[in-house]
Amino acid sequence: DTGVSQNPRHKITKRGQNVTFRCDPISEHNRLYWYRQTLGQGPEFLTYFQNEAQLEKSRLLSDRFSAERPKGSFSTLEIQRTEQGDSAMYLCASSNSQGGPYEQYFGPGTRLTVT
Amino acid sequence: RKEVEQDPGPFNVPEGATVAFNCTYSNSASQSFFWYRQDCRKEPKLLMSVYSSGNEDGRFTAQLNRASQYISLLIRDSKLSDSATYLCVVNNPSGGSYIPTFGRGTSLIVHP
Repeated sequence: DTGVSQNPRHKITKRGQNVTFRCDPISEHNRLYWYRQTLGQGPEFLTYFQNEAQLEKSRLLSDRFSAERPKGSFSTLEIQRTEQGDSAMYLCASSNSQGGPYEQYFGPGTRLTVT
Repeated sequence: RKEVEQDPGPFNVPEGATVAFNCTYSNSASQSFFWYRQDCRKEPKLLMSVYSSGNEDGRFTAQLNRASQYISLLIRDSKLSDSATYLCVVNNPSGGSYIPTFGRGTSLIVHP
């Protein structure tokens, strides 16, 4: 399967703990996006990378959220000091800016539950 | 006003019906428009891009109206398997790049 993969698929954590999620994009895609989705809403853009450069991070929800893509391949999203309001589905998507620049392909998501 | 608005529905239609959804956007500089389909508790899947001249893919037709700032999706001959949430995406300019902005989705239920 050469689609976008995300790990873990589910994460339950206690309030105040840090969590890290990983996304592996489609191999030939140079762009990688992170979103948060809550029930009844569309995906909410958080940040994106082109290769290893983080081009937009102003939409990260707070300074507790950070993302990296150190070698331009996989990416991680970290949430520090989790709060119950962080409970959501975190989606990753990738695209190729060389043609059809914004056709994104999503991974299955990581469902976070903060207790 | 929200950047991208969709009627959440649900639209409840019988098999074989034709159904249409609209999605309005607020930024006249928006570029690159798409429709995605999302099944319950699954990730969004790209359904189709929306081109300025309108485009068709089988039973699905997408159109863009820049003057009125909306995109539409028409589904003909609805199937039970079309039941899903349909999300529109608009790319909005932000600091030299474009940010994908999703609507909240429109729920479609096709019944026998």
